[in-house]
Formats: sequence, C-alpha cells, structure tokens
Amino acid sequence: AQTIHQWPVAEIKAVGSPLSLGCTIKGKSSPNLYWYWQATGGTLQQLFYSITVGQVESVVQLNLSASRPKDDQFILSTEKLLLSHSGFYLCAWSLHWGGSAETLYFGSGTRLTVL
Amino acid sequence: GQQVKQSSPSLTVQEGGISILNCDYENDMFDYFAWYKKYPDNSPTLLISVRSNVDKREDGRLTVFLNKSGKHFSLHITASQPEDTAVYLCAAGEQGTGSKLSFGKGAKLTVSP
Repeated sequence: AQTIHQWPVAEIKAVGSPLSLGCTIKGKSSPNLYWYWQATGGTLQQLFYSITVGQVESVVQLNLSASRPKDDQFILSTEKLLLSHSGFYLCAWSLHWGGSAETLYFGSGTRLTVL
Repeated sequence: GQQVKQSSPSLTVQEGGISILNCDYENDMFDYFAWYKKYPDNSPTLLISVRSNVDKREDGRLTVFLNKSGKHFSLHITASQPEDTAVYLCAAGEQGTGSKLSFGKGAKLTVSP
C-alpha cells in the first residue's frame, strides 16, 4: 500500500527566515507529485507539480520553490518567508498524468504560521 | 477568479435526512468533477468523482449530479449520519491538465442526532 508522509506537522517561523517542507511517498514508483496551499479561510490552490525526478512546474507564484531530488521525495522551500505564506500546506500524489484529471491522495499537511 | 464556487459555507441536517451540497463552476473545459471529504486536522480524501460524459453517479448513500448546461454539480447524501459531519470540498479538472484540480472553499456539513 502507498503511504505519504509530510514533515513537519507544524512550524512557527519568523518573517524573513528560511523554510523547508518535505514529503515522501512510499509504495509507488514514479508518482506525480503536487504541493497545495490553503490560506486561512481561503481555497486550496495548487502551487507546484512534478511528473518526474528533477522536473518541477510552478502553477502559482508565491515566492516559493519546489524540488524533486528523488523519485519519492518532494521539497517545498523559500529563503525568505513572508507573512502571506502562512497557511496549510498539503503534499499530494496521483497515479497518472494524461488527458484527464485523476484522483489526488493527500498527505496529512503542515500548518505554517509566519510571525 | 475562483473557478469553482461553493456558495453555502455550512449546512445542518437531521440524522436520517438528505444532505445536498452544491458546487458551481466557470470553465467550460472541465470534464472531471469530484467531491472530497475533510475531517478536522485531517487531509482531504476522495469521496466520489464523475466525468462529463455522465449526468449522475451513485455509490451507496452518495450520488453526484452533473448539470453541464448550468455548470453545476451536487452531492446528495441519503440517510445522513453523524459521522458524515465534515467539510466537503468540490473540485473540477480540465482535460489535458492532469491532476490540476480547482477546488471550492468547502462547506461544513453537520448532521445532528
């Protein structure tokens, strides 16, 4: 069975400090990977997607970056946090990249508070 | 702008009743429609999905209705139970964009005993 693990569970960071969030998927080779973000009271938005190691596409510009250093690992980071980065970050995976949207399987999420 | 909208942020239903959750969308190209369920402090999980070639899909107590001309889809939960209490997120996707789903803000369903 596939498992998805996100870390950390929660972070409280200062404005201007760096950030690194991680996500690991086990039990599935070559998954499609995604980062989603939801501001408090906002809508779940896709930030990045990756269909293969080393390739990441940006969907929404939020002064964040993402990398896929290994087939089963997805990293979200920034060198300087903004207040607007606060929110709930979800990593997700799916089986296929093709003509139509497919089911997303989400991690448990990271609650980020920027002060 | 927001491509998928859930106009009612909350709904309360008596146990045993029918819960109806609604979602409107703007993009004519959307061909995949889904409902996700989210408990507090948990991540969303897929409940049911439907493609644009059908108007209705049933799965146990769940039914999705799709009205393409009205750009509207809904989730009906029959015989609602207290454990159905959760936030329900509608989502829609466009062919050719893989899993780039657009989500609604969510609607809190409370089923009272």
